Amino acid sequence: SAVISQKPSRDICQRGTSLTIQCQVDSQVTMMFWYRQQPGQSLTLIATANQGSEATYESGFVIDKFPISRPNLTFSTLTVSNMSPEDSSIYLCSVDGTGYNEQFFGPGTRLTVL
Amino acid sequence: AQKVTQAQTEISVVEKEDVTLDCVYETRDTTYYLFWYKQPPSGELVFLIRRNSFDEQNEISGRYSWNFQKSTSSFNFTITASQVVDSAVYFCALFTDKLIFGTGTRLQVFP
Repeated sequence: SAVISQKPSRDICQRGTSLTIQCQVDSQVTMMFWYRQQPGQSLTLIATANQGSEATYESGFVIDKFPISRPNLTFSTLTVSNMSPEDSSIYLCSVDGTGYNEQFFGPGTRLTVL
Repeated sequence: AQKVTQAQTEISVVEKEDVTLDCVYETRDTTYYLFWYKQPPSGELVFLIRRNSFDEQNEISGRYSWNFQKSTSSFNFTITASQVVDSAVYFCALFTDKLIFGTGTRLQVFP
């Protein structure tokens, strides 16, 4: 399985600011995914990030709010822009494992917006 | 539309009891994958199992077992002789073109 790290592991931010979350994988992967897990809720896919192309966003998520970079096959960033308390969530990075249908998750970034 | 239903919001058992977590899915695709993940209080998601739509064999891994029945669109997860360390939120998920999660079942195992 892939080893995935995320930075920061947690942060407390002020309303109106932005935070960039980094996701690093120990092997090259084609697809990287970003999920949000709001308090007490399930995971919701934000976007799929392929290297060398624009990220594909799910309904309800827009690039201006959640810009994503994918500069190479082992790294991606997710920025949460102009944050509000409603953005307080765990943000998880995930990668495709064997054949794209086996996904492993990073440890998550726990974000609190005051 | 793809959907995963975990009707049990929370289950509490006493150690050594067996417990079954239910998962019902909906999809029109004939090729799909089903997953179970464990999320302990630390928050990290732990992959437990993947099953593809063409493999209805049940699987056993130690105290864990999974029952996949396409006829009822269910993929249930049983923990035998539960332990306190099994306390976590368990998510069932369906993959067709993306991974869709159920709402999760919180399992509390008391000593």
